[in-house]
Amino acid sequence: AQRVTQPEKLLSVFKGAPVELKCNYSYSGSPELFWYVQYSRQRLQLLLRHISRESIKGFTADLNKGETSFHLKKPFAQEEDSAMYYCALSHYTGGFKTIFGAGTRLFVKA
Amino acid sequence: DTGVSQNPRHKITKRGQNVTFRCDPISEHNRLYWYRQTLGQGPEFLTYFQNEAQLEKSRLLSDRFSAERPKGSFSTLEIQRTEQGDSAMYLCASSPPGTDTQYFGPGTRLTVL
Repeated sequence: AQRVTQPEKLLSVFKGAPVELKCNYSYSGSPELFWYVQYSRQRLQLLLRHISRESIKGFTADLNKGETSFHLKKPFAQEEDSAMYYCALSHYTGGFKTIFGAGTRLFVKA
Repeated sequence: DTGVSQNPRHKITKRGQNVTFRCDPISEHNRLYWYRQTLGQGPEFLTYFQNEAQLEKSRLLSDRFSAERPKGSFSTLEIQRTEQGDSAMYLCASSPPGTDTQYFGPGTRLTVL
């Protein structure tokens, strides 16, 4: 069965420290992987997707098919990065289905 | 364009009542998704439309849940004979043609007493 696992419910780091939010997935095919973010009192929004291979707000994520992971990284955390982060997997089965992880709350301390 | 909108934003109902939620996607977005989110969990996929066709439906969606998207524009999600376990945030998202990037609405919070 398809599954997305985010092992950390809460991650707290100091401003300027590196941050890594872990995501592992279970899927037999070639999934599309995403990171979505939800800032306080805002709606869920896309942060980045693996096929774009781009850096958004200093965040990057590399798909590791061998380890079935898609960890989100940023070298220097900022206070404004504090938010809820969700890893998601989409696959096509005649229609698109997206599976979200339970989320990791990132708290960046001053 | 103000993005995906959902109405109502909050709904309180008694167990056994029927409720209906509406989602208005971004114009020209042909794909529409419904999710349910409970406290401490990520969004849980319920169903997916491409235009007016419902192409995917979660096995978690019981017979009490039904969704429609007439004319491929707005969508409604109806829950019949609500149960306390239906209390959750119901999210709608839409995607434009050619991408599966989803744009989310603010959600409808349902409380079943």
